[in-house]
Amino acid sequence: NAGVTQTPKFQVLKTGQSMTLQCAQDMNHEYMSWYRQDPGMGLRLIHYSVGAGITDQGEVPNGYNVSRSTTEDFPLRLLSAAPSQTSVYFCASTKQGSVNEKLFFGSGTQLSVL
Amino acid sequence: AQSVTQPDIHITVSEGASLELRCNYSYGATPYLFWYVQSPGQGLQLLLKYFSGDTLVQGIKGFEAEFKRSQSSFNLRKPSVHWSDAAEYFCAVGAIFTGNQFYFGTGTSLTVIP
Repeated sequence: NAGVTQTPKFQVLKTGQSMTLQCAQDMNHEYMSWYRQDPGMGLRLIHYSVGAGITDQGEVPNGYNVSRSTTEDFPLRLLSAAPSQTSVYFCASTKQGSVNEKLFFGSGTQLSVL
Repeated sequence: AQSVTQPDIHITVSEGASLELRCNYSYGATPYLFWYVQSPGQGLQLLLKYFSGDTLVQGIKGFEAEFKRSQSSFNLRKPSVHWSDAAEYFCAVGAIFTGNQFYFGTGTSLTVIP
C-alpha cells in the first residue's frame, strides 16, 4: 500500500515557468488537500477537495490551480511561478469527506523558484 | 475566525526529562483536535486526536494530550523524552463548520540534549 505519493521530490523553476505537482493516493480517500510549509508559518492550506469534481480554496490559493477528475489524483498547478512560491509542498488525504479523521501526508516536494 | 496558536517556537529538553508543548485554539464549536509530528525531511505523522469523551487522550510513542475547554487548550505531554523525539510538532484543528478545513499551528521544534 503506497499511501500518498508526491512527485517530484525536488524542483527548481525560473520565474514565470509553469509546472504541475503530482499527488496520488491509493486508499480511496475522498478528501485531498495541498499545503505549503514555510519557516515560522506552519502549514497553510492552498486548495482542497472533498470528492471527484469538487474543489475549494483554502487560506492561500492565489497562484495555484487544482482539479480533481478522479478519486486518486489531485494535481497542483503553478501557472506562472514566482519566488514567493518557493516552499515545501505537502499533499494530504483522509478517508472521509470530513475533518474528524487523520490526514495521511505525502513526503513533500521542495520547490525553489529563482 | 479559526486559529491555532503554538506559543513556543523552539523547546530544548534533556533526555529523560518531561515535556509539555502548548497549543491554544480559537473555534466557535467543539473542535476536532490533533497533534502531528514531523521528522526532518518527512511528512507529518499523527500522534493523537481528540473528538469527544475523555479529555485525556493517549497517543503513540508515549505521548498524551489533555483537552481543556475552559482554556481552549490541547497541550501535548510526555513523561520522559527520548532522543528520537527530536522533531517538529504541530497542533491542528479540524473545522467542519467552515468548509471541511484543517488549521495548523506554526509548530514547535523540539531539541533533545543528552
